[in-house]
Parts: sequence; structure tokens; C-alpha cells
Amino acid sequence: QLQLRESGPGLVKPSETLSLTCAVSGDSISGSRYSWSWIRQPPGKGLEWIGTFLYSGNTYYNPSLQSRVTISVDTSKNQLSLKLTSVTAADTAVYYCARRITVTREDWFDPWGPGTLVTVSS
Amino acid sequence: DIQMTQSPSSLSASVGDRVTITCRASQPISTYLNWYQQKPGKAPKLLIYAASSLQSGVPSRFSGSGSGTDFTLTISSLQPEDFATYYCQESYSVLSITFGQGTRLEIK
Repeated sequence: QLQLRESGPGLVKPSETLSLTCAVSGDSISGSRYSWSWIRQPPGKGLEWIGTFLYSGNTYYNPSLQSRVTISVDTSKNQLSLKLTSVTAADTAVYYCARRITVTREDWFDPWGPGTLVTVSS
Repeated sequence: DIQMTQSPSSLSASVGDRVTITCRASQPISTYLNWYQQKPGKAPKLLIYAASSLQSGVPSRFSGSGSGTDFTLTISSLQPEDFATYYCQESYSVLSITFGQGTRLEIK
């Protein structure tokens, strides 16, 4: 059964870089036909897609974050990574990783990791 | 960008009620629409994909319908464990993804 688990610092200072990893177990992140995504949720607010690492090796990012975000895969560790530079308080959120399944052009997120809260504060 | 608007934003209902939540897209998206349930402190859980396909393991009281710009999620008979926040998500934009703002379902 596929499981995802996010990890990283819970507190990041303004202007610094947020770095998170998502450990994938139960499937090979590189050998599968799936894509892998990061999604975030500010406290008390809705969901915001950050970006996706496609099985083809390409990455796509939310245009509102594109200049600051990098998503990559470490196949040796079977994990997904997120880097977000120049953070502000507006980047405070629970960050989720999720598998993105695509079947004949339809796609959806399943499953999701439990999420990790990152607070941006000095 | 495609905008997704859910209504209502919040809803109070009783156990056993039939409940419908609506999601409207700012442009036609065929059936590229998914629904998720989120309970407090938990990650979202997939309920419905491709507008009307029930995810494995999800109770049959949940159903989805619609195409184009208007979609609905229906819970035929509310159970205590169904009180949560529900989100729609479009997958028409291959290179971008948008979620609705959420509908909070509360106990009356």
C-alpha cells in the first residue's frame, strides 16, 4: 500500500528557503507511471496546488509560485523534494505531498501524505 | 486560469438528510472534476474522480454528477462521520490545478 510522509523544519525565517521532503513507500517513485505533487493549505484556508513532477521528468508549477519553487525527485532515496525560496508569512501552511494519477487524460490526487506544518516567522 | 466556485460555503444539516454541494467552473471542463473530503487536522481524501466515479472504499451514499461547468456532490443520507469540509478540484488544466474554496458541512 502506497504511503507518503512529509518532513522538514517546522519553522523557517522570513527571506530564507523552505525545504521539505516526502518519503514514498510501497511504490517506486521513478519506475511508476504516476506523477507526484505538492499542495499546501494555509491555516483555516483552502487548498493551493504548488506543482507537479511528471513521470516524464518534466515539472509544472503554479504560476503564482513559479519564480520561487523547485520540485525534484531523488530516486536513490525514493523521495520527492520541495524548495521554496524567499519565504514570507504568507507561505505559512500545511504542506502535503500527493500522488497524481492520470488515466486517459483524467487525473486526480490519491493518496495524500498526512502533511507537515511550516511556520514562517523570525 | 480556471476559477472554481463552490456553493454554499457552509451548510448545516442533520444525520439522515440528503445534502447537495455545487461546484461551478469559470469555463467548460468536460468531466475533469474531482471531489475530496477533509476532516480537521487530516489530509484530504479522494471521494469522486472524473465527475462521477466513486473511489474504491468510499460509501455508496456519496455520488457525483455534472459536466461542462456545473457539478454536484450528493450525500444521500448523512452519517455522523460525514461532517467535514468538501473541496472540488478541476483537472482540465493539465499544467495547472485549481481547487474550489471548500464547503464546510456542520451538524445542525
